[in-house]
Amino acid sequence: GNSVTQMEGPVTLSEEAFLTINCTYTATGYPSLFWYVQYPGEGLQLLLKATKADDKGSNKGFEATYRKETTSFHLEKGSVQVSDSAVYFCASRRGGADGLTFGKGTHLIIQP
Amino acid sequence: EAGVTQSPTHLIKTRGQQVTLRCSPISGHTSVYWYQQALGLGLQFLLWYDEGEERNRGNFPPRFSGRQFPNYSSELNVNALELEDSALYLCASSYFGGADTGELFFGEGSRLTVL
Repeated sequence: GNSVTQMEGPVTLSEEAFLTINCTYTATGYPSLFWYVQYPGEGLQLLLKATKADDKGSNKGFEATYRKETTSFHLEKGSVQVSDSAVYFCASRRGGADGLTFGKGTHLIIQP
Repeated sequence: EAGVTQSPTHLIKTRGQQVTLRCSPISGHTSVYWYQQALGLGLQFLLWYDEGEERNRGNFPPRFSGRQFPNYSSELNVNALELEDSALYLCASSYFGGADTGELFFGEGSRLTVL
């Protein structure tokens, strides 16, 4: 079956540090890949996505590249801000009856 | 354009009671998904509705049920509430889920506390 594995937090960084949150997936075929962000007390917002191998999704300074050879979709940002503090979910979707398959989420804490 | 809306936003129930949560998808979306986000357990898939039919359900007991109306809005019902049902219940919508590999659009959620 499908599964998504991401590093579990909390991850604590100082402002302006470099961020990497690892995500790997298992799936038949070629799923679409997503990063969602959940700010405190809110629902999930799409951060970025990639639909095929070697695609790079980017938004708000975050980037992730769909790597088929390593089945990975790591999230990166060059310089994090306090406002980036949130829970980040990696997810895959291949169509069909199971919607999105989520990782367990990574709680990111950015300290000033 | 309105996003996915859910109601109520917060509610408190006691063990054994029943609850109904409501969701209105984005206009034009026919698929509605329900997820449970319990503390420390990530997001668990509950149910998928499309065109008024239940298309798939996750590994939850039958006391979790729902339906989708002709206008594509949806209800999630939970009977005989247990303490461990305390969670944030998230609704998401998309175009037809069967072939769609695009993103799901989420509501803000309904936070249920069972005492």
